[in-house]
Amino acid sequence: AQSVTQPDIHITVSEGASLELRCNYSYGATPYLFWYVQSPGQGLQLLLKYFSGDTLVQGIKGFEAEFKRSQSSFNLRKPSVHWSDAAEYFCAVGESGGADGLTFGKGTHLIIQP
Amino acid sequence: GAGVSQTPSNKVTEKGKYVELRCDPISGHTALYWYRQSLGQGPEFLIYFQGTGAADDSGLPNDRFFAVRPEGSVSTLKIQRTERGDSAVYLCASSLQGALYNEQFFGPGTRLTVL
Repeated sequence: AQSVTQPDIHITVSEGASLELRCNYSYGATPYLFWYVQSPGQGLQLLLKYFSGDTLVQGIKGFEAEFKRSQSSFNLRKPSVHWSDAAEYFCAVGESGGADGLTFGKGTHLIIQP
Repeated sequence: GAGVSQTPSNKVTEKGKYVELRCDPISGHTALYWYRQSLGQGPEFLIYFQGTGAADDSGLPNDRFFAVRPEGSVSTLKIQRTERGDSAVYLCASSLQGALYNEQFFGPGTRLTVL
């Protein structure tokens, strides 16, 4: 069965600093990988996704993520965070070619220090 | 356009009662998903509909949980004999078609509290 691990429950970053959120997945074939953001009172919003091709994917709000098959990782990065980036971030995996539901990690809570 | 809507936004019930949670997907979306998010956890897949039929209900925890989508649009998640452990935020998502390359759009969720 597929699984997702987000090793960091909380991360604190100063405004303007760079950010990297870690995600490791377990899946036999090439997975479909996603990053979602959940702000208080808001629904989950898709930041970016990887299906195939270029392993560096660009998303909304200045985020990017890199798929590394050898490390089974799909880490999310942003060069300079803004206070509005404070939220919960979820990595998710889906079965390639499938249409079933996603398997989510437990999330990383991002805190932005002024 | 309108996004996915869920009603009610909050539901408080007593142990043993029956509850229904409603999801209105984005118009024209044929795929609909239900997830459950417990405190401090990521969303957990419950069931996926393609049109009117449940294509995958492997995530439903037990037979107290049931979902329908009779006309291929609105869906209702039904929970019988609620237990305190059912307390969570229930999320609904819809996508244009049932394939993962189609983005799943999530609703704001229904927070269920079982006393």
